[in-house]
Amino acid sequence: DQQVKQNSPSLSVQEGRISILNCDYTNSMFDYFLWYKKYPAEGPTFLISISSIKDKNEDGRFTVFLNKSAKHLSLHIVPSQPGDSAVYFCAASEETSGSRLTFGEGTQLTVNP
Amino acid sequence: EAGVAQSPRYKIIEKRQSVAFWCNPISGHATLYWYQQILGQGPKLLIQFQNNGVVDDSQLPKDRFSAERLKGVDSTLKIQPAKLEDSAVYLCASSSRLFLADTQYFGPGTRLTVL
Repeated sequence: DQQVKQNSPSLSVQEGRISILNCDYTNSMFDYFLWYKKYPAEGPTFLISISSIKDKNEDGRFTVFLNKSAKHLSLHIVPSQPGDSAVYFCAASEETSGSRLTFGEGTQLTVNP
Repeated sequence: EAGVAQSPRYKIIEKRQSVAFWCNPISGHATLYWYQQILGQGPKLLIQFQNNGVVDDSQLPKDRFSAERLKGVDSTLKIQPAKLEDSAVYLCASSSRLFLADTQYFGPGTRLTVL
């Protein structure tokens, strides 16, 4: 039962353009959502998060949008840079049951110079 | 501040053999997690410790996997005996607070290949 899904295994964008990564979830009890970035041979690195009481959170070039009714979130990167090329994981948790994270499958983002 | 340390980085074993992984969390972090990441999938939580007590091991295959966190610091994850489907990257993470997921810091992982 895949509770968090990232339907696009890969995404390729030009440097300077917007990257949009998408994530869908099925568990309505999830109330905290995160994006992690992972480079090869390294562990995932926390990028940005959003609580279910918000619909948008912004941190520099990164913005996460949450649509609770659609059970959908997205990560926008503007402008995209070659150093952003990595695998991006969406994750979700139920804060009331602890900090256990459920991850999506990941999307490989490639930003071309 | 030193990050989460894991060893070994790579391990190749035959099926039915045993293997152990070691994790040293960030100093002062009370919560420690072990994740399994199979190729093409996201990390899946195996076990979560708060100090030296187990908080969640519902997804740990207890017939072959075991983990301990003696003295509430370092942790070891053991597989005995290993199966082909155990081939994966084993990630250790730590955090300072139990109920704030964004404070999880990951180590580089141990890549296990079972032949």
